[in-house]
Amino acid sequence: GAGVSQSPRYKVAKRGQDVALRCDPISGHVSLFWYQQALGQGPEFLTYFQNEAQLDKSGLPSDRFFAERPEGSVSTLKIQRTQQEDSAVYLCASSLKVTSGVDEQFFGPGTRLTVL
Amino acid sequence: AQSVTQLGSHVSVSEGALVLLRCNYSSSVPPYLFWYVQYPNQGLQLLLKYTSAATLVKGINGFEAEFKKSETSFHLTKPSAHMSDAAEYFCAVSHSGAGSYQLTFGKGTKLSVIP
Repeated sequence: GAGVSQSPRYKVAKRGQDVALRCDPISGHVSLFWYQQALGQGPEFLTYFQNEAQLDKSGLPSDRFFAERPEGSVSTLKIQRTQQEDSAVYLCASSLKVTSGVDEQFFGPGTRLTVL
Repeated sequence: AQSVTQLGSHVSVSEGALVLLRCNYSSSVPPYLFWYVQYPNQGLQLLLKYTSAATLVKGINGFEAEFKKSETSFHLTKPSAHMSDAAEYFCAVSHSGAGSYQLTFGKGTKLSVIP
């Protein structure tokens, strides 16, 4: 079956540009997560959605980062006025249920963002 | 607060040799522990998870891990490495309390398998 998909897979932006990264979770999955993975590091939590509600955005590094999931399925992570330190792989994950710590999160392939 | 330390950013083993990837965790509450594998240009795939049911956990592709509370460790092992095991491996921790959906990852260990 279809897994989590993300687009674009690669994005190059000039410093100061706005970017939008898309995530298509597994159909029917209630929970959706965004993670940021810098080069040589493990993924770091950014934000969590339960259906269309953004329940936790504690990991977003600045107010330039904004995420939405308006209909409870597809999600978009938007970064305004990109800076070089935003260069990373952005991973999306989804989970079937309202997530507790034990539930498996299914990850997409990620979007590699390079800010020049 | 919780954290994960993976010892060794890069491990090389010969094909057929034992694979041992180390993970130590810190958690103020009973943890759930996970090992994920990441192949180039692919997403993270769950290998196995510990949820307090049994301390020795068997996963996919012949991997297993043992939860040792006294050592705060959750090392990943495989008796005989295969070329297809070459990938990056991440240990992660969550818990059963508030905010438990947040996975905290280690920095990863890149496994190379030498023919």
